[in-house]
Amino acid sequence: GAGVSQSPSNKVTEKGKDVELRCDPISGHTALYWYRQSLGQGLEFLIYFQGNSAPDKSGLPSDRFSAERTGGSVSTLTIQRTQQEDSAVYLCASSSRGGKKFFGPGTRLTVL
Amino acid sequence: QQQVKQSPQSLIVQKGGIPIINCAYENTAFDYFPWYQQFPGKGPALLIAIRPDVSEKKEGRFTISFNKSAKQFSLHIMDSQPGDSATYFCAALTQGGSEKLVFGKGTKLTVNP
Repeated sequence: GAGVSQSPSNKVTEKGKDVELRCDPISGHTALYWYRQSLGQGLEFLIYFQGNSAPDKSGLPSDRFSAERTGGSVSTLTIQRTQQEDSAVYLCASSSRGGKKFFGPGTRLTVL
Repeated sequence: QQQVKQSPQSLIVQKGGIPIINCAYENTAFDYFPWYQQFPGKGPALLIAIRPDVSEKKEGRFTISFNKSAKQFSLHIMDSQPGDSATYFCAALTQGGSEKLVFGKGTKLTVNP
């Protein structure tokens, strides 16, 4: 596809369960970002990957959150022991270095 | 500490009106100021952006005004249309580093026919 894709589009889980959210960036984009969008809030930066450099994890809210990017392409955001406050839309974006950022449609996570 | 403050939270105008959305920032290291448009169920899409060396940028019906001394910038939508109804986010970043965007909280714009 031409754009950033994310899966699943919706995820409902029970409190305490682990979830994995996937992001497929635009081919050739070296930079990948994860953001969280809570109701009525702006987008909150979570983590940034650039090529083979160490990721910038400064936005991860707790050690229950982690992310990896395999082969410089696909990324997975993992939330362990989910809490109700983790309910949000998780957005992924990719760009070439210094270029325009393209966002995916997001994964809406609901923790019951 | 919110680094980018956006107002108003919501805005309703009639077709043809000129909605104005305002943002203020604190970090003087920011050197790139984009605006994003988001429709329900979609990710944000870049609308227009400005760098602090210019005071105004216009693309079609969208104009950014930038006041470096006041650390403020605003989005004006000329001849607004119902199709412009969306949530608008201002953002800021410092180029050359991780380039992580810092977003305002968004403005929900409704343009009535």
